Amino acid sequence: RKEVEQDPGPFNVPEGATVAFNCTYSNSASQSFFWYRQDCRKEPKLLMSVYSSGNEDGRFTAQLNRASQYISLLIRDSKLSDSATYLCVVNNFNKFYFGSGTKLNVKP
Amino acid sequence: GAVVSQHPSWVICKSGTSVKIECRSLDFQATTMFWYRQFPKQSLMLMATSNEGSKATYEQGVEKDKFLINHASLTLSTLTVTSAHPEDSSFYICSARGIGSGKSYNEQFFGPGTRLTVL
Repeated sequence: RKEVEQDPGPFNVPEGATVAFNCTYSNSASQSFFWYRQDCRKEPKLLMSVYSSGNEDGRFTAQLNRASQYISLLIRDSKLSDSATYLCVVNNFNKFYFGSGTKLNVKP
Repeated sequence: GAVVSQHPSWVICKSGTSVKIECRSLDFQATTMFWYRQFPKQSLMLMATSNEGSKATYEQGVEKDKFLINHASLTLSTLTVTSAHPEDSSFYICSARGIGSGKSYNEQFFGPGTRLTVL
């Protein structure tokens, strides 16, 4: 079983739409969680950390449900520039495991 | 702050040759560096974890004699792909975390990646 599982998408949405991505992880002892964004042929860049209490950064909201081992990312008012692959990342004992990524295409 | 560089950004080599990739933390001390490989349309796969001054820890299935990792200083780690074969063609990305990055210790910062093509 993979450490981190994500729906690969693609999610094709119009500008202004709200879109949500989900991710599950297999190790209940995982310590920290992140969402990264990766543009085509570029390195991943940290979008936000994910906390149990939930956290928001502008149009982006991340949630963590430890009981269900589930992480989510909500993007409101999608922009064309949000088009990218979103990677769910889980830290287990100082090792970082990446999901396969969810591709988002925001269309005009 | 927290910038990581990689060199070269791309390299083409003949089968059987060795290629060295450098990963540098430019403005912080990288106590730990990670090496990843990413094949097209796949996610990053951790190859090894490298702590400064000690031997790298390799993930299962990664040949340590083929992928030589050196982390001799707090700002530099190198990955050498020895006797490269076409199936080693991939996008190799390093990341670093450590002291003085100004961020959470858990956060890692990625280099821009090295695209390796083995003919």
